[in-house]
Amino acid sequence: KQEVTQIPAALSVPEGENLVLNCSFTDSAIYNLQWFRQDPGKGLTSLLLIQSSQREQTSGRLNASLDKSSGRSTLYIAASQPGDSATYLCAVGMDSSYKLIFGSGTRLLVRP
Amino acid sequence: DVKVTQSSRYLVKRTGEKVFLECVQDMDHENMFWYRQDPGLGLRLIYFSYDVKMKEKGDIPEGYSVSREKKERFSLILESASTNQTSMYLCASSTTSEWNEQYFGPGTRLTVT
Repeated sequence: KQEVTQIPAALSVPEGENLVLNCSFTDSAIYNLQWFRQDPGKGLTSLLLIQSSQREQTSGRLNASLDKSSGRSTLYIAASQPGDSATYLCAVGMDSSYKLIFGSGTRLLVRP
Repeated sequence: DVKVTQSSRYLVKRTGEKVFLECVQDMDHENMFWYRQDPGLGLRLIYFSYDVKMKEKGDIPEGYSVSREKKERFSLILESASTNQTSMYLCASSTTSEWNEQYFGPGTRLTVT
C-alpha cells in the first residue's frame, strides 16, 4: 500500500531564503507526482506535475524534482516571499488508477 | 485555464437532512472526484467518476452517493446528514490526455448540526 510522507510538518523561514520541501513515498511504481498549494480555508492549487518519466519540472521560482528509485520528491522555492506562506501538499498517482494519494502537507510561514 | 466551481462555499444543515453538493468543470475533463479534508486525516477520496453515469467508490464512500448525468457536472449526495460528516468537501477534475493532472475547486465547508 502506497504511503506518502512529508517532513517537516511545519517550517518557518525569513523572507528571501531558498528552501526545500520534502516528499517521500514507499512504492516507486508511480504514474505521476503532483505538488499543490493550499491557503487556509481554500481549495488546492496545482503547482507542478511531474510525469513518471521526468526528473524535474520548473515554474517560475519553483522547481520540483523526482527520484523514483529512492522514492523521493523535493519542491525547491527560490527567494521565498511572505505570499508563499501556505500549506504545500504532494500527491502520488499510481499506475492504472486515477486516484491520488496525498501526504499530510508542510505548513510554510515566510516571515517578513 | 481550467475552472472547477462548487455550488456553495459554506453550508449549514441539520442532522437527517438530505444534502446536495454540486461541482461543475468547464474543460471537458472525463474524470471527476470528490474528497473530504479533515484536520489530522488529510484528504480522503469519497467517490470518483471516469465517464458520464460511471462511478467508483473511493476510500470512504459510506454515507455518500454521487450522480453524474452530464460530463461537466458531478454531484455528491448525503442521504441523511450526520454530525460526523461536518468537513471541508473538495471537488476535482482531470483528463487522461494531460497525465491526469487534477484541478480543484474552492471547496465547500459543510457544518451539520
